[in-house]
Amino acid sequence: AQSVTQLDSHVSVSEGTPVLLRCNYSSSYSPSLFWYVQHPNKGLQLLLKYTSAATLVKGINGFEAEFKKSETSFHLTKPSAHMSDAAEYFCVVSGDNFNKFYFGSGTKLNVKP
Amino acid sequence: DAGVIQSPRHEVTEMGQEVTLRCKPISGHNSLFWYRQTMMRGLELLIYFNNNVPIDDSGMPEDRFSAKMPNASFSTLKIQPSEPRDSAVYFCASSRAGSEQYFGPGTRLTVT
Repeated sequence: AQSVTQLDSHVSVSEGTPVLLRCNYSSSYSPSLFWYVQHPNKGLQLLLKYTSAATLVKGINGFEAEFKKSETSFHLTKPSAHMSDAAEYFCVVSGDNFNKFYFGSGTKLNVKP
Repeated sequence: DAGVIQSPRHEVTEMGQEVTLRCKPISGHNSLFWYRQTMMRGLELLIYFNNNVPIDDSGMPEDRFSAKMPNASFSTLKIQPSEPRDSAVYFCASSRAGSEQYFGPGTRLTVT
């Protein structure tokens, strides 16, 4: 069975400092993994995806994530936070044949000036 | 591409009324998903279709909720009768086989 655990419900960083949002997954096969961002009162936007190619994936707005099979992790990072990064972030794992997607519970990122 | 289109963007209705939410997926996508998002329960998958056929409706809360996909370019989510606890943001998403989901902007439903 597939599942996703986002280890922090809230993360607070200062502008200009690094961001780390943690995600662990469980899957019975080699999954595809995604990070989505949701700004207040907006829909979900795809940040980046891993689909069994390079393990370090670069996304939009300077975000990247590294797939570590041995640790079953797919943590999201950014070297320097910007105020506009304040949002909720969701880690997602695909089901078999992409018929279904399993969402983590979300991490709310707060960026302090 | 226009992306996933949802209508209406906002809906306010009284308890007991019928509500219909609409979704137009991205052209060429063969899977469509309906989600509900609330502060209390987060993001919940209600139902998804593959090639216009409902595959998993286990997330539909109760018989008051129904969803249809009469063709590849249109889907509806209906609540009849509506209740205040149905107040939420409802998202539609679509995907192509073997690819990621794209979300619509959502419909904010308020039932008074």
